[in-house]
Amino acid sequence: KNEVEQSPQNLTAQEGEFITINCSYSVGISALHWLQQHPGGGIVSLFMLSSGKKKHGRLIATINIQEKHSSLHITASHPRDSAVYICAVFLLRGGADGLTFGKGTHLIIQP
Amino acid sequence: DAGVIQSPRHEVTEMGQEVTLRCKPISGHDYLFWYRQTMMRGLELLIYFNNNVPIDDSGMPEDRFSAKMPNASFSTLKIQPSEPRDSAVYFCASSTWTEVNYGYTFGSGTRLTVV
Repeated sequence: KNEVEQSPQNLTAQEGEFITINCSYSVGISALHWLQQHPGGGIVSLFMLSSGKKKHGRLIATINIQEKHSSLHITASHPRDSAVYICAVFLLRGGADGLTFGKGTHLIIQP
Repeated sequence: DAGVIQSPRHEVTEMGQEVTLRCKPISGHDYLFWYRQTMMRGLELLIYFNNNVPIDDSGMPEDRFSAKMPNASFSTLKIQPSEPRDSAVYFCASSTWTEVNYGYTFGSGTRLTVV
C-alpha cells in the first residue's frame, strides 16, 4: 500500500471552477509538500506545511495532522493551472529525509 | 540565483555504456537530493546528501548506481553499466532547512533514454 494516496487521479474542470485535490497519508510525517509539474516536466514547490493553512494567490493548502489529510484548493481556476499536482511527505524519521510522493493528480482546466 | 542546474537536459545512450548526470545546487543549500521519475513508479528518492555527506542511499536501485558530492556546489549520479530499464527523468533538488528560511528547489531534470 502506498504511503501517500491522492484523489482524484484525474480531474477536468471548466475555467473559473473551484478545485480541490486531496492527499491522505498513513504514517507519521514531519511535513507535507505540494508540488506542481507542468507538461514541460519542471517541478515547482508550491507549499510546505506542517500544520494549519497556507495561501498563495489563488492557491490554498490545508493540513489536518490528526486525520493525516491535506487538501490543495485552487480558486477561480484558469487553463494555465493545468498541470500534475503532487503531494509529498517528509516521513517522521528525524532530520530532513527525502520526500515520499503520491502518484499525482492530473488537472485539466478547459476554457 | 539560477536555481538548481542539471546537465545534460537529455541523454541517449546505448545499453552497457556509462552515464554521468550532473547537478549544481543552489548556493547555501545544505541538502541535495537525487530523484527518479518513471511512468510506472512516479517520483522516487534515490539518495540524499547533507553537507556533502551521503545520508540515505537506500533508494539507489542497485550497485550500478553511484552518487558523489565532492563539494558543496557539485554532485554527480553515475550509472555503469546502463540498462534500458534505467530510462527515466532524473531530478536533482536542493534545500535548506531553518524555521524561517525554507527553500526546496528542483532542477529541470535529465531525461535519460537507454537503447
